[in-house]
Amino acid sequence: KQEVTQIPAALSVPEGENLVLNCSFTDSAIYNLQWFRQDPGKGLTSLLLIQSSQREQTSGRLNASLDKSSGRSTLYIAASQPGDSATYLCAVLDSWGKFQFGAGTQVVVTP
Amino acid sequence: GAVVSQHPSWVICKSGTSVKIECRSLDFQATTMFWYRQFPKQSLMLMATSNEGSKATYEQGVEKDKFLINHASLTLSTLTVTSAHPEDSSFYICSAYKNRDSYNEQFFGPGTRLTVL
Repeated sequence: KQEVTQIPAALSVPEGENLVLNCSFTDSAIYNLQWFRQDPGKGLTSLLLIQSSQREQTSGRLNASLDKSSGRSTLYIAASQPGDSATYLCAVLDSWGKFQFGAGTQVVVTP
Repeated sequence: GAVVSQHPSWVICKSGTSVKIECRSLDFQATTMFWYRQFPKQSLMLMATSNEGSKATYEQGVEKDKFLINHASLTLSTLTVTSAHPEDSSFYICSAYKNRDSYNEQFFGPGTRLTVL
């Protein structure tokens, strides 16, 4: 059974620092991997989607890498801002269309 | 883009009553939708896969008679929590599968917060 782990569980950084969020998964047979942001009491906002054949995706200050063979993905957020404070979820999609989510990393960016 | 809506966004009900939550794909057709549940400070857990025109597939440990799923059209799936109890209080999120040119992508609804008194 696929297991997705996110480290660290919580992270607090001063504004301007770069954020590095880690995600690992046990089964490399994934269809894609997706990073989401979730604000308290809200739904999910998709940040980046990486197909299984891709190594990375970039959008603005966000960059996500994928190493399927080692079962790892990393989300980098450059020059963090207080508005980046949220919980970041990593999810892997299998060929049946089912997502397995990690527990998330709670990020606080202090002004 | 692809938009998925949920209704209601929040609901409070008495123990023993039934609650229906709707999930709609607004600008695309979705033959497959998914229902997730999220307890406070926990991640999303898949409850069931909803397929248009056929029975839903439930994950292990999810009671199909308690969580009734109906996917009667290509844009609407409903989740009915029957005889709700306080332990069913949770955040319910749906997603819909959209077929793109070379891959499929899921789009998530904004969620429904259910509180059972």
